[in-house]
Amino acid sequence: QVQLQESGPGLVKPSETLSLTCTVSGGSISSYYWSWIRQPAGKGLEWIGRIYTSGSTNYNPSLKSRVTMSVDTSKNQFSLKLSSVTAADTAVYYCARVDSSRGSDYWGQGTLVTVSS
Amino acid sequence: DIQMTQSPSTLSASVGDRVTITCRASQSISSWLAWYQQKPGKAPKLLIYKASSLESGVPSRFSGSGSGTEFTLTISSLQPDDFATYYCQQYNSYSPPLTFGGGTKVEIK
Repeated sequence: QVQLQESGPGLVKPSETLSLTCTVSGGSISSYYWSWIRQPAGKGLEWIGRIYTSGSTNYNPSLKSRVTMSVDTSKNQFSLKLSSVTAADTAVYYCARVDSSRGSDYWGQGTLVTVSS
Repeated sequence: DIQMTQSPSTLSASVGDRVTITCRASQSISSWLAWYQQKPGKAPKLLIYKASSLESGVPSRFSGSGSGTEFTLTISSLQPDDFATYYCQQYNSYSPPLTFGGGTKVEIK
């Protein structure tokens, strides 16, 4: 059974960079797209972007200038960096596996990141 | 970018009711449409993929239909466990961003 686990600081200061890692267990990270999605409290889901195991990426245009994703196949991990954060970036951040025929079939439990000084 | 519009945003229903949620895409996405259920404090759960295929383990009272730009999620007989928020998402791999609809909260009437 594939499992995903987000990790990283729960508190980030304004203007700094948010960094999260998603560790995949129970299956290989290879040959899939992997996504980051976020959800501010009481609001809907926002797709941040995806990375393929080759390193190819697609980002949400609304966040593109601040987002960087990377993948480390040797560790079965992929990562998110979001720069110049503001309070508007406070949200629960989810990582998910994207199956090309089924959509986002496995999700992490989510991690709350608060942007505050 | 493809925009996804869900309606209604909130739905009040009773146990046993038939419930229908609509999702519209701003351009054709063929059948690359997924539906998710989310309960408070939990990650979304995949219910339906490719517009009408039921994910393994999901009760058969859930069904999806549609193609192109208009899609529906139907719950044939609402159960207590179904009170949650439902999201659609287009996942056409050639058309990122993979946008979510705004969500539909199914509440107890």
